[in-house]
Amino acid sequence: NAGVMQNPRHLVRRRGQEARLRCSPMKGHSHVYWYRQLPEEGLKFMVYLQKENIIDESGMPKERFSAEFPKEGPSILRIQQVVRGDSAAYFCASSPRGNEQYFGPGTRLTVT
Amino acid sequence: GQQVMQIPQYQHVQEGEDFTTYCNSSTTLSNIQWYKQRPGGHPVFLIQLVKSGEVKKQKRLTFQFGEAKKNSSLHITATQTTDVGTYFCARRGTSGTYKYIFGTGTRLKVLA
Repeated sequence: NAGVMQNPRHLVRRRGQEARLRCSPMKGHSHVYWYRQLPEEGLKFMVYLQKENIIDESGMPKERFSAEFPKEGPSILRIQQVVRGDSAAYFCASSPRGNEQYFGPGTRLTVT
Repeated sequence: GQQVMQIPQYQHVQEGEDFTTYCNSSTTLSNIQWYKQRPGGHPVFLIQLVKSGEVKKQKRLTFQFGEAKKNSSLHITATQTTDVGTYFCARRGTSGTYKYIFGTGTRLKVLA
């Protein structure tokens, strides 16, 4: 039973480019969370999705950030026109019922 | 508010010593979750507590939920070097939201 998959594991983007982060939840899990983590800090909630629906995006910046979880395929976190402050580790987690969360290995985004 | 405070922020112990981290909220919690994140790794779900005064054990780890459901603790007996990492508690957001709010974490170092 494969765990949560995230790719890429490392992503380098220049300022102004787009970053696209992918997350494939565990089989049978229809709940996906995205978190952001700065070095030596805690996890900050960004968005919670179920298949084809954004349920709670209260932690996501209003501009440049978007997320989706289509009927088929992985969940995508998209960051447009990246800035240096976007550099962080982005983790997704999947859940069978919206409670305990199983995290992927994360994508380390570096903006140069 | 919805924040959860964790203390201590850091803890260094000699191998074989016990360790406890505390998670405190100013509001009543519907549940509390605990996660462990190894250095450079991703958070791993440990347990969820739901009932007032609940105590659960996993080998050398003991988890407790306060009677008033405003605090929780994680106690490790006879620490080992494999216990190194950051321990986070997480609470669900206020009623009607689905997000999880993570505590600030306690970073544990175990000296051999």
